Parts: sequence; structure tokens; C-alpha cells
Amino acid sequence: AQSVTQLGSHVSVSEGALVLLRCNYSSSVPPYLFWYVQYPNQGLQLLLKYTSAATLVKGINGFEAEFKKSETSFHLTKPSAHMSDAAEYFCAVFGNQFYFGTGTSLTVIP
Amino acid sequence: GAVVSQHPSWVICKSGTSVKIECRSLDFQATTMFWYRQFPKQSLMLMATSNEGSKATYEQGVEKDKFLINHASLTLSTLTVTSAHPEDSSFYICSAIGQGRTEAFFGQGTRLTVV
Repeated sequence: AQSVTQLGSHVSVSEGALVLLRCNYSSSVPPYLFWYVQYPNQGLQLLLKYTSAATLVKGINGFEAEFKKSETSFHLTKPSAHMSDAAEYFCAVFGNQFYFGTGTSLTVIP
Repeated sequence: GAVVSQHPSWVICKSGTSVKIECRSLDFQATTMFWYRQFPKQSLMLMATSNEGSKATYEQGVEKDKFLINHASLTLSTLTVTSAHPEDSSFYICSAIGQGRTEAFFGQGTRLTVV
């Protein structure tokens, strides 16, 4: 069985501060892991994905995530938050379907 | 990246009527499509998985007679909410995967309000 757990349903950071959104996965096979962003009343947009190549994955909008097998983690980071980063973020693992985390709402404080 | 178009974006319908939502892959062949429902401030709940030319596989607790899914071609899947009721009001999202791919592309979602 595969699943992901996102720690923290709400995260607030100041503009320009580091963004860290946590995701831990559970998978019996090497996982395919994803981070998606969702803006209000919109679908999901892919930020980045891990598919067993480089463990440090760079995505769009300055986001990156590091796959750590020993910690079963795939945390999302961005060095400097921007106001436009305020959104809902979902971690997901793909098996025969996508399993989504419960989401983390990111607020950026000016 | 690939594009998935979902239509309509917003729909308001009367209780008892049926609503059809379309999901199209515009520049790739979608061998598998997923339909999700999302409640406010919650994650996506998978409703069903459909493969082109086959009957959809519904998740436990999802009424297949109420949520009719058709995946008649490699670029189009439809979700029809039959005899809609206010409790069916929600945000519905489709996603599509091409053959041999692991990345899913999502439609922009449909906000359904049943009055």
C-alpha cells in the first residue's frame, strides 16, 4: 500500500523567508513522488516530481524537494517566499493511482 | 507540459436535473483518466478510474449509477451527475495519464452548485 502524510495543515511564513512543507511517504516499492500546487477554484499544477533519478529535484517557481529514503521524506522547500506562493500544496505518491496528502495551506505574510 | 481541459468551470443546476462535465486531453492520448471530488479545505477524493473503452472502476462508497463516467475515446472522458441534489455540490477535478507515463495532468476543475 502507498500513502503520503503531510505534516501541518497550515504554514505561515514571512515574505522572503524559507518555505518548508513536509511530506512523508509510505511505499513498498520505489515510489514516484509529486508536489502539486492548487490556487483557489483551480485544478492542480505540477511543481515537481521524483521518479528515481536525482534525489534533489528542482521544480517550477523556485521550489525544490529532496528525496530521502532513510527518512521516507520528500519535503518541499523554497529559499525565499513570495506573496504569489500563497496556495494549497499537495504531496502525492503514484502507484496504480495517485494517493494525495491532506494538503498544506501556505500563507505568506507581507 | 500536456494540457487537460475541463468544461464547464462553473455550473449551477436545479435539484433533480443532470449535469455533464467533460475532460479532454488536448495534446496527448489519455489511456487513463481519474475523477476526483474535493470538498472545501480538503484533499482530493478519488471517485473513479476510467480506461479508454472500458467501464470505469469506482471507489468504495461512490454510487456508479449516480456518477456516470464514460471514456469513449483517448482524448475525452465525461462525468455525468444524475438527478443532482444539493449534497452533490462540490468541486470536481479530472486528471489524465498517457500510456507509459507516471505524471498526471489535471483539468482546471468544475464547481458544481445544486440549488
